Amino acid sequence: DVKVTQSSRYLVKRTGEKVFLECVQDMDHENMFWYRQDPGLGLRLIYFSYDVKMKEKGDIPEGYSVSREKKERFSLILESASTNQTSMYLCASSAGLAAYNEQFFGPGTRLTVL
Amino acid sequence: KQEVTQIPAALSVPEGENLVLNCSFTDSAIYNLQWFRQDPGKGLTSLLLIQSSQREQTSGRLNASLDKSSGRSTLYIAASQPGDSATYLCAVLSGTYKYIFGTGTRLKVLA
Repeated sequence: DVKVTQSSRYLVKRTGEKVFLECVQDMDHENMFWYRQDPGLGLRLIYFSYDVKMKEKGDIPEGYSVSREKKERFSLILESASTNQTSMYLCASSAGLAAYNEQFFGPGTRLTVL
Repeated sequence: KQEVTQIPAALSVPEGENLVLNCSFTDSAIYNLQWFRQDPGKGLTSLLLIQSSQREQTSGRLNASLDKSSGRSTLYIAASQPGDSATYLCAVLSGTYKYIFGTGTRLKVLA
């Protein structure tokens, strides 16, 4: 079974802090994604990566950056956390050509910024 | 701009009923459509993936259909059970890597 893990289930941070969210997948998938999920807005793509060291902006990249130094790991970084970044963050991965392969999701990290 | 809509937003049915969840999208140029299940406070679990060239996919009590020309997909759940209670999300792959998600249908199956 594909397994996508996220470093924390719940996280509480203060405004202005630098926040790291880690995601690891164990199926050698090329593609990895970061989404945030908010009530009434659904899932929105923040960044995705289709290879090591490669990244592309999604719909809402402002205030975020990412890092993919190894194939299995994709990190989301909030450079200076703000209260409007309080959300559920979901990581996903898929193999090869996205058109032919399912996305698999991690359990999510619920981030609260005070 | 692709938009994905799921109606109704919430649904309650008695146990044992067959039911249909709807997903509509505005741009028929999609690569695939995926159905997910999400339990409260959890991540998404993949249920079915339908490629753009396919009309339907089946897994156990679940059957998903795709009609690209009309911009619609349905998820059919046979003989519903309380354990099926969850939010069901559909997502279409519009760009090479870009999924657009609906906001989901919250299903409650009453025992």
